[in-house]
Amino acid sequence: DADVTQTPRNRITKTGKRIMLECSQTKGHDRMYWYRQDPGLGLQLIYYSFDVKDINKGEISDGYSVSRQAQAKFSLSLESAIPNQTALYFCATSDPPQETQYFGPGTRLLVL
Amino acid sequence: AQSVTQPDIHITVSEGASLELRCNYSYGATPYLFWYVQSPGQGLQLLLKYFSGDTLVQGIKGFEAEFKRSQSSFNLRKPSVHWSDAAEYFCAVGAAITDKLIFGTGTRLQVFP
Repeated sequence: DADVTQTPRNRITKTGKRIMLECSQTKGHDRMYWYRQDPGLGLQLIYYSFDVKDINKGEISDGYSVSRQAQAKFSLSLESAIPNQTALYFCATSDPPQETQYFGPGTRLLVL
Repeated sequence: AQSVTQPDIHITVSEGASLELRCNYSYGATPYLFWYVQSPGQGLQLLLKYFSGDTLVQGIKGFEAEFKRSQSSFNLRKPSVHWSDAAEYFCAVGAAITDKLIFGTGTRLQVFP
């Protein structure tokens, strides 16, 4: 089984809808991250969490919110989706100090 | 501010040829450097990383990278490319305290038989 899983893998939604992307990990890591990937832009950090009580904004947090329900679960929400949020979203986990980040398979989101 | 530049958007090589993917970074302290590979439809997989010590690091799949502080570079190399190496490659620099990664824009590698 994969160490970092993301659901759904693909999602089509309409402008204005609220959606949630979920990430679960079995690696036992405290740190979790949400990234967005757009063609030609690489990956940009949306939010990151060092533990259940510690959540921080990344480079592009506007329009997004997160919830760390447990050490193993980190959800990303789009409260009111807009077309320019169409992208590939990745969840990642790591353990300090400065260890490797392990990525999930990604969620492809299309906002119409 | 930290930044990573991958100057080559797209590289094409023949199978069996050598490969070098360029990565330049900007960071005020000693950087933590990573190369990740993304195959089509897949997530990112770590190829190798540099934290300290020997500036030539070996990774998986026959890849290696050399950290050159004087040139602010961390180029990825492979002596003989296989068709299965076709993918997108990302260089990233990590911040010592926050573990946040700053990614380059990626280089897409195409391999011809």
